[in-house]
Amino acid sequence: DVKVTQSSRYLVKRTGEKVFLECVQDMDHENMFWYRQDPGLGLRLIYFSYDVKMKEKGDIPEGYSVSREKKERFSLILESASTNQTSMYLCASSFQGFAEAFFGQGTRLTVV
Amino acid sequence: EDQVTQSPEALRLQEGESSSLNCSYTVSGLRGLFWYRQDPGKGPEFLFTLYSAGEEKEKERLKATLTKKESFLHITAPKPEDSATYLCAVHDRGGNEKLTFGTGTRLTIIP
Repeated sequence: DVKVTQSSRYLVKRTGEKVFLECVQDMDHENMFWYRQDPGLGLRLIYFSYDVKMKEKGDIPEGYSVSREKKERFSLILESASTNQTSMYLCASSFQGFAEAFFGQGTRLTVV
Repeated sequence: EDQVTQSPEALRLQEGESSSLNCSYTVSGLRGLFWYRQDPGKGPEFLFTLYSAGEEKEKERLKATLTKKESFLHITAPKPEDSATYLCAVHDRGGNEKLTFGTGTRLTIIP
C-alpha cells in the first residue's frame, strides 16, 4: 500500500515563527503536492513538485515556500506564520502521468 | 479555469436508504475524474478514477458513473460506517498534474 506520512498531526505555533511541515512517501512517486483544506473552501493547492529540486506554484502560494531535496521528501515552509494560515495541511503524492493522488493523514496547524 | 461543484453539501439518510451524490464539472478537456472519501480529521482516501463518459466503477455499496458534464456517486443500502465526506476532483487534460477539488458532500447515515 502507498504510504504518505506527515511529520505531525497537530501543531501550535506563534505568529511570526518559521514553520516546517514535512512529508515522506514510500512509493517512489515523482509528483508531490501540498494542499490546505478549510471549511467551505475545499482543498486548495499551495505548491507541487514533479521532480527533485523542481517546484511549481499552485493556486495559493503566497506566504509559503517548499523544498524537495530528495524524491521521497517534500517540505512546506511557512516563512513567518500568520493567524490566517491556521488550517489543515495535506500532503499527497502520485506517479507521473497518473493523477490519482494518495494523501497523508494531515497536519492541523494552529497559529496563535 | 476548472470548476467542480458538488451537491448536496450535506445529506442525512436512514440506514438502508439509497441515494446519489452529484459532482458537476467544467474543464477544457477531462483527463480523469476522481472520488475520494474523507473521515473527520484524516486525509482523503482514494476511491475511484473515471476517464470517459459512460464509464462506471463499483466498490462494495458505492458505484461511480460519469457523463460529459457530471459524475454521480450512488450509494446502495448504506451503513453507518459509510458516513464521511465524499470529495470529487478533476484532472484537466490541458493542465499539469494537479487536481481541482470540489468542496465535498458530508454524508451521515443514521442507524
